[in-house]
Parts: sequence; C-alpha cells; structure tokens
Amino acid sequence: KAGVTQTPRYLIKTRGQQVTLSCSPISGHRSVSWYQQTPGQGLQFLFEYFSETQRNKGNFPGRFSGRQFSNSRSEMNVSTLELGDSALYLCASSLEPESLYGYTFGSGTRLTVV
Amino acid sequence: GQQVMQIPQYQHVQEGEDFTTYCNSSTTLSNIQWYKQRPGGHPVFLIQLVKSGEVKKQKRLTFQFGEAKKNSSLHITATQTTDVGTYFCAGDNFNKFYFGSGTKLNVKP
Repeated sequence: KAGVTQTPRYLIKTRGQQVTLSCSPISGHRSVSWYQQTPGQGLQFLFEYFSETQRNKGNFPGRFSGRQFSNSRSEMNVSTLELGDSALYLCASSLEPESLYGYTFGSGTRLTVV
Repeated sequence: GQQVMQIPQYQHVQEGEDFTTYCNSSTTLSNIQWYKQRPGGHPVFLIQLVKSGEVKKQKRLTFQFGEAKKNSSLHITATQTTDVGTYFCAGDNFNKFYFGSGTKLNVKP
C-alpha cells in the first residue's frame, strides 16, 4: 500500500512569504502529526490532528498552523517565514493516536528560506 | 519542561561489536517508541514499549523500558554495516511525543 506522501519534496521561499505543505496519510490512518527536523534542534513536535481536530500542539509560534480534512489529508502552513524556519518538515500518520504500531513517516518537505 | 535526553550523541563501533543507546525522561512516560533514520532518509518505526520493565527483542535488537517508565535503552548485538543510522527514542507524555536528540551510529567494516 502507498506510504505517507508529502508534497512538495523541496521548496525555496523568501523571508516574509508564507508556505503550505501537504501530507497524505496511509489509507485508513486517521491521525497525522507534523515535526520539524533541524541539525541543531533535532526532531520537534509541531502538532497532531485526529478526525479533523487538533489534539496537541508543540511549542511553536502562532505562525505555524495546520488543519486536517475529512479524508485525513493534512496541511501545514507557515506564515511570515524566517530564516530559522529552514528545516525538513516531516509528517507522520498512524491508525489512531498512541497506536501500538507507531507512526509512519513521510519523506518530508525540505524548506529553505532565503 | 518535558525533556527526553538521549546518550551518547555519536557512537563509532567496529562491525561485530555491540552498541547501546540510552533514553532518559524527566517525567514518567505512558509509553516510549524507538525509530531508526538512515542517512538521507526519514524515521522508521521500530517498536513501542508500554509496560513498566518491559523487554522486547527484534533479532539482534533488544529494547528495555525502565521500571519507573522514565528511561529506556536499545541494545544491538554484533552490529552490522546495515545498522548505520540515527536511532531516536520518542516518549509519550500527556499525548505529546518528545523525541530524544538521537544517537548516530557508525559501523566500520
């Protein structure tokens, strides 16, 4: 079966712009989480959605937002981009929150802010 | 605040040697997960531990969850070059997953 699909794979944006990243979970998975990965900070939790509702949010500014649609697909938006937002953004899906089968990660979207 | 610390940061071993990475949380965790990320890849789920003192094995990998559910370890017996990558623990506390900083394993043939 198809894995977690993230689009686009690579993105270059200018400071001040906004960006929307997309994540299509594995068919049947209803929980979607977003993470930011940087060499300095490692993997940091952004937020988790389940059944179109945000369950949890990490310690990121309000410029970072997300949503989940009825088909479980999720989008993440970052407004007023800063240089420090350059990172690999990973989406992960699971059947449900705290699934014993863990989360399946997508290949990520590498965002570069110039 | 919640922190999940992981040590060591790097480990270089000769093929055939054993390897262990440790994960410690400042608070009690409801469960802990382990992931492996190959260079240039994305994290891949290995296992989840839920019970206090739980020990699980996957071939040459042994995972342990501490009695107090605040620490965990991953031990690889007789490493192979295919074990190269970064191993992350992720602790669940109040429905938020906190990833450790990861241990980067390099295996010399």
